[in-house]
Amino acid sequence: EAGVVQSPRYKIIEKKQPVAFWCNPISGHNTLYWYRQNLGQGPELLIRYENEEAVDDSQLPKDRFSAERLKGVDSTLKIQPAELGDSAVYLCASSQEFYGDEKLFFGSGTQLSVL
Amino acid sequence: QKEVEQDPGPLSVPEGAIVSLNCTYSNSAFQYFMWYRQYSRKGPELLMYTYSSGNKEDGRFTAQVDKSSKYISLFIRDSQPSDSATYLCATVSGGYQKVTFGTGTKLQVIP
Repeated sequence: EAGVVQSPRYKIIEKKQPVAFWCNPISGHNTLYWYRQNLGQGPELLIRYENEEAVDDSQLPKDRFSAERLKGVDSTLKIQPAELGDSAVYLCASSQEFYGDEKLFFGSGTQLSVL
Repeated sequence: QKEVEQDPGPLSVPEGAIVSLNCTYSNSAFQYFMWYRQYSRKGPELLMYTYSSGNKEDGRFTAQVDKSSKYISLFIRDSQPSDSATYLCATVSGGYQKVTFGTGTKLQVIP
């Protein structure tokens, strides 16, 4: 069974440029998460989807970040324009349904460097 | 104050040692408790989960939760170099089921 697939693995951009990350969750997983992990910190939730619906985007900086999940499967996270402080690892995770005892499966992440 | 506090380490131990990793949390609404392991340049992977006070054992790993003191521990027996990673504790609140992670403790097991 394929795991959560993210691309690209690394991205280097200059500030004020746009950037997009892509995530393909595990087949059959209804719940999809985007997390941001700063160096030396734990992951912090940006947005959570239940199928196509964003059920928690309270931590998503909506002035520059946007996300979508087409047909309840793949998802993209976009930043426009990027700022220096956006440098971090962006992790995608999925789960079948989350009731506290379901696993979150994480992808390997996209490491973003904003210069 | 962060909802989940964790000593960032790094923690360096010799192979075969018993490792103790700890977290404290502040929100008594947290109902489920998990430990994730994260290797360098990889995403976290779930190691252990529990939803009650007490111990849960899985091979060389034991997760311990004390809800009265809001304290979570992970013990690793007979530590191996392959255990070298960052260990993240995580909690889940009821209802909405939001997962909150600690900052992670970096562990190095020296052969």
